[in-house]
Amino acid sequence: QKEVEQNSGPLSVPEGAIASLNCTYSDRVSQSFFWYRQYSGKSPELIMSIYSNGDKEDGRFTAQLNKASQYVSLLIRDSQPSDSATYLCAVYGGSQGNLIFGKGTKLSVKP
Amino acid sequence: EAGVTQFPSHSVIEKGQTVTLRCDPISGHDNLYWYRRVMGKEIKFLLHFVKESKQDESGMPNNRFLAERTGGTYSTLKVQPAELEDSGVYFCASSYGGSGYEQYFGPGTRLTVT
Repeated sequence: QKEVEQNSGPLSVPEGAIASLNCTYSDRVSQSFFWYRQYSGKSPELIMSIYSNGDKEDGRFTAQLNKASQYVSLLIRDSQPSDSATYLCAVYGGSQGNLIFGKGTKLSVKP
Repeated sequence: EAGVTQFPSHSVIEKGQTVTLRCDPISGHDNLYWYRRVMGKEIKFLLHFVKESKQDESGMPNNRFLAERTGGTYSTLKVQPAELEDSGVYFCASSYGGSGYEQYFGPGTRLTVT
């Protein structure tokens, strides 16, 4: 059974701090990794995709991938109260087209 | 560009009844996916269409679920007859390509079976 694991949180950080969200996955052949943000009662919103080892930066967001350790993370710099949401890690299930999701980490940014 | 749309947003039905959910993908996206989130659990894959063909339906829970994508445009997911355990949020997603491509999600349909 292919799995994606995330700490469910809640993760609480003060406004302006760096929030660090982590994810591990079980399938070594996975090649594509995604972070989605989901506000309560809303749909998952794609915020980052990463395919190669290393860091990928987009604005205040940085995704980090380490395939040897089967680990992917998301850093949010200068966290804002509007970043408060559940962050979902998703991994492609090998050769199939479907995503495998973690349960999500709830982030709370305190003003 | 319009995003993925789903209808209805909410549906409350009684056990044994039939419900049909609809998804309109982003224009030009040949790949369409159905997912479901049951309370307290992670989002789980149900099936994948490429145009009008079912590419992978390994996540469909049982034969009470029937998905179609006539003409390769919108898709419907029918649950007949509905059971209590079918309650959850049903998401549709679409992507331009298959494996590895970014998937964009619709707002979901919250199904409650009483």
